[in-house]
Amino acid sequence: GAGVSQSPSNKVTEKGKDVELRCDPISGHTALYWYRQSLGQGLEFLIYFQGNSAPDKSGLPSDRFSAERTGGSVSTLTIQRTQQEDSAVYLCASSISGTGVQETQYFGPGTRLLVL
Amino acid sequence: GQQLNQSPQSMFIQEGEDVSMNCTSSSIFNTWLWYKQDPGEGPVLLIALYKAGELTSNGRLTAQFGITRKDSFLNISASIPSDVGIYFCAGNDYKLSFGAGTTVTVRA
Repeated sequence: GAGVSQSPSNKVTEKGKDVELRCDPISGHTALYWYRQSLGQGLEFLIYFQGNSAPDKSGLPSDRFSAERTGGSVSTLTIQRTQQEDSAVYLCASSISGTGVQETQYFGPGTRLLVL
Repeated sequence: GQQLNQSPQSMFIQEGEDVSMNCTSSSIFNTWLWYKQDPGEGPVLLIALYKAGELTSNGRLTAQFGITRKDSFLNISASIPSDVGIYFCAGNDYKLSFGAGTTVTVRA
């Protein structure tokens, strides 16, 4: 079966522009996560969707960042007025239900964002 | 999320050698995970640990969940060239908290 897919794989944008990053989770997975990986760093949690519950947005670094998940499947991470420090790899993961800490999160290949 | 302290930051190893890396946290986690990330890819789960004191193997990989639930180590035995990559520890509290990674380079 297909894994988590993300698009675009690479994005170069100018400072101040808005960008949208897309994630398609594994079919049937109700939990979806976004993480950010800066160069040479570990992954940093951004936001978590679990079913129809209100998302956990506690990791979003500023109000320029937002995410939505339509129909319980595809998710879009939007960064408004991009800054150079937003340059990073944005990784999406999904898990079956998100209700147990023993669930495995499966990661997509990431979107590499470069803000010039 | 909580930041985990992972060491060493990088290592060069000779093919056939054993290698060890570890992770500590100031917070307790109920699940510890070890991931490997290859260039241009997302992390892939290697081993998951669910019980304090648990020792788990996956082929040449062995990992242990510390008895205090605040630390874990990963051992790779008889390293081979495809072991090259970045290894991350992670604590699972629904959202994952990651270490900064250990970059492994194998000398053939």
